[in-house]
Amino acid sequence: DVKVTQSSRYLVKRTGEKVFLECVQDMDHENMFWYRQDPGLGLRLIYFSYDVKMKEKGDIPEGYSVSREKKERFSLILESASTNQTSMYLCASTRGGGEKGEQYFGPGTRLTVT
Amino acid sequence: SQQGEEDPQALSIQEGENATMNCSYKTSINNLQWYRQNSGRGLVHLILIRSNEREKHSGRLRVTLDTSKKSSSLLITASRAADTASYFCATPGRGGYQKVTFGTGTKLQVIP
Repeated sequence: DVKVTQSSRYLVKRTGEKVFLECVQDMDHENMFWYRQDPGLGLRLIYFSYDVKMKEKGDIPEGYSVSREKKERFSLILESASTNQTSMYLCASTRGGGEKGEQYFGPGTRLTVT
Repeated sequence: SQQGEEDPQALSIQEGENATMNCSYKTSINNLQWYRQNSGRGLVHLILIRSNEREKHSGRLRVTLDTSKKSSSLLITASRAADTASYFCATPGRGGYQKVTFGTGTKLQVIP
């Protein structure tokens, strides 16, 4: 069964802390994504990766960085957390290929920055 | 940069009724997807319809696509309390790679 896991369901951090959100997929997918979801704004793409060590900025990359050292793992890093980064963070993966098709999502991490 | 816009934003129906949600988008697409999200969880893929298809069925789900009007609808027939969730349409993102762009969603409540 296809699976995307995220390291934490709930996380509380203080302003200024460095925060790591981890995502692991077991489907050998080339592509992995980080979104944040806020009420009324839907899902917004932060960063994505199409291969190991490759990354591309999404629509809202400011304040975030990512790391993909292994194919199955994609990490989102908040270098210095701020209260406006309180949100639900969703990781997804999809295989490569021509058609932009189904994305498989993890359960999400609800991050609160105080 | 939202491509899809769902309508209505929220919908409340009785169990057993049908629920219809609409999605409008701006640019030409090769396909359109629908996803469901239960409260506080990740999204689950429901169905993908290609631009050369007008209608597609999956169980109690019926999706239509009208490329001339740049719109799609998702119909859930004989709704159940378990269908309570948010529903999102997703269209291919600009540029290459496998990006998709999600709409803001329709929140469906099915009252038992």
